[in-house]
Amino acid sequence: DAGVTQSPTHLIKTRGQQVTLRCSPKSGHDTVSWYQQALGQGPQFIFQYYEEEERQRGNFPDRFSGHQFPNYSSELNVNALLLGDSALYLCASSLEPGPNEKLFFGSGTQLSVL
Amino acid sequence: QQPVQSPQAVILREGEDAVINCSSSKALYSVHWYRQKHGEAPVFLMILLKGGEQKGHDKISASFNEKKQQSSLYLTASQLSYSGTYFCGTEMSGGSYIPTFGRGTSLIVHP
Repeated sequence: DAGVTQSPTHLIKTRGQQVTLRCSPKSGHDTVSWYQQALGQGPQFIFQYYEEEERQRGNFPDRFSGHQFPNYSSELNVNALLLGDSALYLCASSLEPGPNEKLFFGSGTQLSVL
Repeated sequence: QQPVQSPQAVILREGEDAVINCSSSKALYSVHWYRQKHGEAPVFLMILLKGGEQKGHDKISASFNEKKQQSSLYLTASQLSYSGTYFCGTEMSGGSYIPTFGRGTSLIVHP
């Protein structure tokens, strides 16, 4: 049973560029959440997708957008990259949205913005 | 509101015990605990619900004091494999039920 898979594992971009990160949830999970983890910090919630809709959003600008496909996989898009966007981007899936849901994390995409 | 974890770092020898604390300024609905090893994904340890329930996972247990809005993670007889960064994630009462994570506590267990 494959867990949460993310691609690519590493990415280097320059300021102003755009990036797309991809996530496949654990089998049987239909809810995908994205987190940004800066070095030495805890994961910060970006948004959550369920039934192809953005269900919840954290305190991130509109440059961060996402999508969920009918097979529950998801993409995170970041436009007009800033140096401060350099971080590990984690995808987490769960059985459903709601309280007390155990999160299964992928290994992340390490994004470096130069 | 981000929960506050303490201490920031713990260094132990194998077999020693450790306690990691997580506190919030707001009423909590539940507390999650995850462990992340360097370069790896965070891994779920346990979720504690309102009611002061104590849970355990091998020699790792946790408590949740709803009145004090605090949770503590207890690592007993630490093993080398316990090394990593521990994060608590708190869900607020009446909130979005999306866990907000603390900054983490780095635990290093030496032989």
